[in-house]
Amino acid sequence: GAGVSQSPSNKVTEKGKDVELRCDPISGHTALYWYRQSLGQGLEFLIYFQGNSAPDKSGLPSDRFSAERTGGSVSTLTIQRTQQEDSAVYLCASSLFSGGASYEQYFGPGTRLTVT
Amino acid sequence: SQQGEEDPQALSIQEGENATMNCSYKTSINNLQWYRQNSGRGLVHLILIRSNEREKHSGRLRVTLDTSKKSSSLLITASRAADTASYFCATARDYGGSQGNLIFGKGTKLSVKP
Repeated sequence: GAGVSQSPSNKVTEKGKDVELRCDPISGHTALYWYRQSLGQGLEFLIYFQGNSAPDKSGLPSDRFSAERTGGSVSTLTIQRTQQEDSAVYLCASSLFSGGASYEQYFGPGTRLTVT
Repeated sequence: SQQGEEDPQALSIQEGENATMNCSYKTSINNLQWYRQNSGRGLVHLILIRSNEREKHSGRLRVTLDTSKKSSSLLITASRAADTASYFCATARDYGGSQGNLIFGKGTKLSVKP
C-alpha cells in the first residue's frame, strides 16, 4: 500500500514569509510525528499527534511553529515568519498504535525547506 | 535533548567486511530502534529491540542491548556497497503514559567501498 507522503518535496522561501508543510500518513495509522533534521545532524522531535490531538508539543522550537491534524489523517506543519535557522528537512512519520514509540515508525521522504 | 549517541560518527570499510556501530543512551527505555537513512531523506526502520531482550537478528543485521550499560550495538555482516547510508539509533522512553516520540542520535555515516 501507499506509504507516508509529504508535500512539497522542496520549498524555497524568503525570510519572513509563512510556509505550510503537508503530511499524508499511512491510512489507519493513529499516531503521527513531525521531526526536523538540520544538515548532517540527527532528528529533532517537534510534535506528536494521537488522532487529532497533540499530547506532546514539547519539541516545537518557538511559537512561530504550529501544527494541526484533521480527520485523524492529514497533518499540516505551519511556520510563520520564517527565519534562516528554520532551513532543514522536515520529516513526518506515522505508526499504527497510540503507544507509537513502542512500534515501528514509517517515515515520509521529507520536505527540504530553504529560507533565503 | 539528545538521548542516543552513536559511535563512531563515520565508518569506512571494504565490501564483505563487517560493520559495527554503537549507541549509548541516558535514561530508562521501553525499546531501542535502529533506522537507516539514504541521501538525507526518509528513514527506514531496520530493527526494534525491547528492554527485556538482549539480542535480535534480522537477515545480516544483529542488534544487542545492554541495559546495565545503557548501550546497544548494530552489526552488519558481509557488508555491501548498497549498505552505504547513515544509521541512527532511537530510543523510546519508559513512560507509562502517552509519550510517543522517539529520541534519535546523530547517526553513524557508513561508507562501504566496492
